[in-house]
Amino acid sequence: GIQVEQSPPDLILQEGANSTLRCNFSDSVNNLQWFHQNPWGQLINLFYIPSGTKQNGRLSATTVATERYSLLYISSSQTTDSGVYFCAVPSGGYNKLIFGAGTRLAVHP
Amino acid sequence: GAVVSQHPSWVICKSGTSVKIECRSLDFQATTMFWYRQFPKQSLMLMATSNEGSKATYEQGVEKDKFLINHASLTLSTLTVTSAHPEDSSFYICSAPLPLRSGDTQYFGPGTRLTVL
Repeated sequence: GIQVEQSPPDLILQEGANSTLRCNFSDSVNNLQWFHQNPWGQLINLFYIPSGTKQNGRLSATTVATERYSLLYISSSQTTDSGVYFCAVPSGGYNKLIFGAGTRLAVHP
Repeated sequence: GAVVSQHPSWVICKSGTSVKIECRSLDFQATTMFWYRQFPKQSLMLMATSNEGSKATYEQGVEKDKFLINHASLTLSTLTVTSAHPEDSSFYICSAPLPLRSGDTQYFGPGTRLTVL
């Protein structure tokens, strides 16, 4: 099946810093989603981005489908950005999502 | 955005008992829902696909007789953990796809934390 790899596994930032999270996938996909899991476990949809670039406030994402990777940019990080960031791609029918291992982000004041 | 709810948000039960978890899509209909399990500091692992009006499809290694899934309506799927044991303690999360013009976006419930004593 399709493999999804995320890097880095852990990231520590000072408030105000910028960061880039990477998601590589092993096969062609027709969509890709980025999620933020907050400390209470809730998965929050960040981006649905099968290709191209999207921006939402301090966050933006770029997917280069032909090269099988996606990037999530966080600018001017805040302590509320802390948590785990997952990318996920569909596998098989019914849009089953396969998740990467996640990037655990801690933003310190 | 679309809203998916889960109930209960946490449950503690004794070993050998059964626990039912509900997943509801509140403002859209979902013929398919998905159940995931997440152990501490790990990623989400897909357990099964819940299909309205038909049997669930289980991922390899997931015991269908232990994790009973019923998709009773277009807005409700239930996961019953039967004869629960401590190793079943985990965070269970459901999701439902919302069709968009450009494709399906998955929305996730808040999760249910199960502790089996």
